[in-house]
Amino acid sequence: EAGVAQSPRYKIIEKRQSVAFWCNPISGHATLYWYQQILGQGPKLLIQFQNNGVVDDSQLPKDRFSAERLKGVDSTLKIQPAKLEDSAVYLCASSQKASGGQSSYNEQFFGPGTRLTVL
Amino acid sequence: AQSVTQLDSQVPVFEEAPVELRCNYSSSVSVYLFWYVQYPNQGLQLLLKYLSGSTLVKGINGFEAEFNKSQTSFHLRKPSVHISDTAEYFCAVSERFGNEKLTFGTGTRLTIIP
Repeated sequence: EAGVAQSPRYKIIEKRQSVAFWCNPISGHATLYWYQQILGQGPKLLIQFQNNGVVDDSQLPKDRFSAERLKGVDSTLKIQPAKLEDSAVYLCASSQKASGGQSSYNEQFFGPGTRLTVL
Repeated sequence: AQSVTQLDSQVPVFEEAPVELRCNYSSSVSVYLFWYVQYPNQGLQLLLKYLSGSTLVKGINGFEAEFNKSQTSFHLRKPSVHISDTAEYFCAVSERFGNEKLTFGTGTRLTIIP
């Protein structure tokens, strides 16, 4: 089974430029997550989709970040304009649809990430 | 809201020695607990998880962790480490009845000394 795919793997841009990252989740996974991992910190959730609907975007800086998952499969995360503090690894993860229950949990599978450097 | 504290940012250990990586969490609701490993230039891989039942959980690569509700801890242990265990380890929590989003600690870099 293919894992979560992300591209590009690396991106270097200058501040105020725009950038986009792409994620292809595991086939059949309804839930997709974008995390931001700044150097020396743990990943922080930016946005969570279930199919093509947003479940949680409370930590997404909406003045500059946007994300979409139009057909409920692939997703794109965009930054416009980029700031120096956006330098980080952007991780995409996917899981099967939440099934509920006290002892059930749908494991998140992570892609390799996109390392963004903003100069 | 939840938070996770990993007090040790770096842990050097001699090969074949035991190791413990510490994790404490804070939450007003019941949570699930996880340990993830991140090898250089790779994504996160689930090592083990605590959902319910036995407080001692075993994971991949010989790792185990013990959930201690009274101390709000979930420390990760391995009796004998190998060079291949060199990586960054992240503790994470998720609300038991939430949307399954993960809140991560800042990570512990485990370095194995030959």
